[in-house]
Amino acid sequence: DTGVSQDPRHKITKRGQNVTFRCDPISEHNRLYWYRQTLGQGPEFLTYFQNEAQLEKSRLLSDRFSAERPKGSFSTLEIQRTEQGDSAMYLCASSYRTSDEQFFGPGTRLTVL
Amino acid sequence: AQSVSQHNHHVILSEAASLELGCNYSYGGTVNLFWYVQYPGQHLQLLLKYFSGDPLVKGIKGFEAEFIKSKFSFNLRKPSVQWSDTAEYFCAVNAVGTNAGKSTFGDGTTLTVKP
Repeated sequence: DTGVSQDPRHKITKRGQNVTFRCDPISEHNRLYWYRQTLGQGPEFLTYFQNEAQLEKSRLLSDRFSAERPKGSFSTLEIQRTEQGDSAMYLCASSYRTSDEQFFGPGTRLTVL
Repeated sequence: AQSVSQHNHHVILSEAASLELGCNYSYGGTVNLFWYVQYPGQHLQLLLKYFSGDPLVKGIKGFEAEFIKSKFSFNLRKPSVQWSDTAEYFCAVNAVGTNAGKSTFGDGTTLTVKP
C-alpha cells in the first residue's frame, strides 16, 4: 500500500459549478478525515468518518458540502454551487484508531474562478 | 473546543544553528500531541508524537519535543539544523476520549535554513 491517494490533484472550475473529489485511504485504516487548508493557515477540520458512518461535521461544512464513504473504503467530498471562497487545498487523511497520528494524502487544490 | 497556537510564523536560521518552535494548546482534557512537517512539494507527514509517558519524545531526523502539561506546551527542538530541514512545521492536538476524532492544527511555522 502506497499511502493515501487523492484525485484529482488540481481542479479549476467556474463559480457555480459542482465539483467532486475522491480520497482512497490506507486500506486497513477505518478512520477517514477531510480538512481544508488555505495559504498561511494550518489544516481546518471539515468532517470525519469511522467506517461508513460520518461521526462529526464542522460548522465550516455548509449545506453546499457533502461527504460520503459508502462502503467504508474510499470517500468523496462534493461541493455544490462553488464560490470563490471555496478555493483552497482539500486534504484527506486516514488513521487506524481515533486520536492516532493521521496519514495525509497529497491534497486536491481547488481554484474557483 | 481545542485550539493550537504556534508563536513563530517564519523562522530563518543558518545551518548548525539550534531550533526551537513554540506550540501551545488550549483544551481541558487529555490530549495526544503531534508535530507534522511538510517539505516543499510534499504532503504532510508525521515528525513525532506524544501520547503518554516520558514527556520528552524523539522523532525522525534528530527532532525532539517536550510536553509540559502545566504550560499546555509542546515545543519542537533540534540542536543543529540542516538545509534539508527547510519546511513548514505544524503542531496538532487530538482530544482523547468522548471528543476524540479530529486533529486541531496550528497555523504552521515556515522554517528556512540558509546553507
